Amino acid sequence: ILNVEQSPQSLHVQEGDSTNFTCSFPSSNFYALHWYRWETAKSPEALFVMTLNGDEKKKGRISATLNTKEGYSYLYIKGSQPEDSATYLCALKTSYDKVIFGPGTSLSVIP
Amino acid sequence: EAQVTQNPRYLITVTGKKLTVTCSQNMNHEYMSWYRQDPGLGLRQIYYSMNVEVTDKGDVPEGYKVSRKEKRNFPLILESPSPNQTSLYFCAISPWLAGGQDTQYFGPGTRLTVL
Repeated sequence: ILNVEQSPQSLHVQEGDSTNFTCSFPSSNFYALHWYRWETAKSPEALFVMTLNGDEKKKGRISATLNTKEGYSYLYIKGSQPEDSATYLCALKTSYDKVIFGPGTSLSVIP
Repeated sequence: EAQVTQNPRYLITVTGKKLTVTCSQNMNHEYMSWYRQDPGLGLRQIYYSMNVEVTDKGDVPEGYKVSRKEKRNFPLILESPSPNQTSLYFCAISPWLAGGQDTQYFGPGTRLTVL
């Protein structure tokens, strides 16, 4: 089973700080990498889909990059706000029907 | 708007008592999947279905069954639940899009406790 790792496991930042975390995977042989945001007591919601080496996606203060050659994706949050507090999941689509999730990074933004 | 409903949302049961968690969608999406979420382990796929009467095992299928008789419904069946199946369960759907562009819409989750 392909292993998708995320680091750090959890993160506490002050409001206004920028932060980033990592999703790493051992193979470049996959269809796409997905980022999800999962707020407490809610369901995961899709943030980004990335497929090509060098892909960059942005949604408001959140952006993500993909490096397939070295096997990682970064998620950046600029000027963190309390409403950014959530668990951020990355998922690798390894075939037309198979998705493998990482364990997630839990972000807490302290007002 | 994509809507995925799961029932029940919360269930406490006893070892060995058969149960079914239903999942229903209103989007006519081909792909449906069940995940369980356990602390420190992330979401692990139990079973998935690409279309009616087409189901396949995910990474942790032991102790579970599924069926896909209609496109909109994908029930998860625990024939003889055990305490190690205590978990948070999510049903997810997605359309079939080329190139892996198909992110998933998740249901609200079902919190299951097996005593």
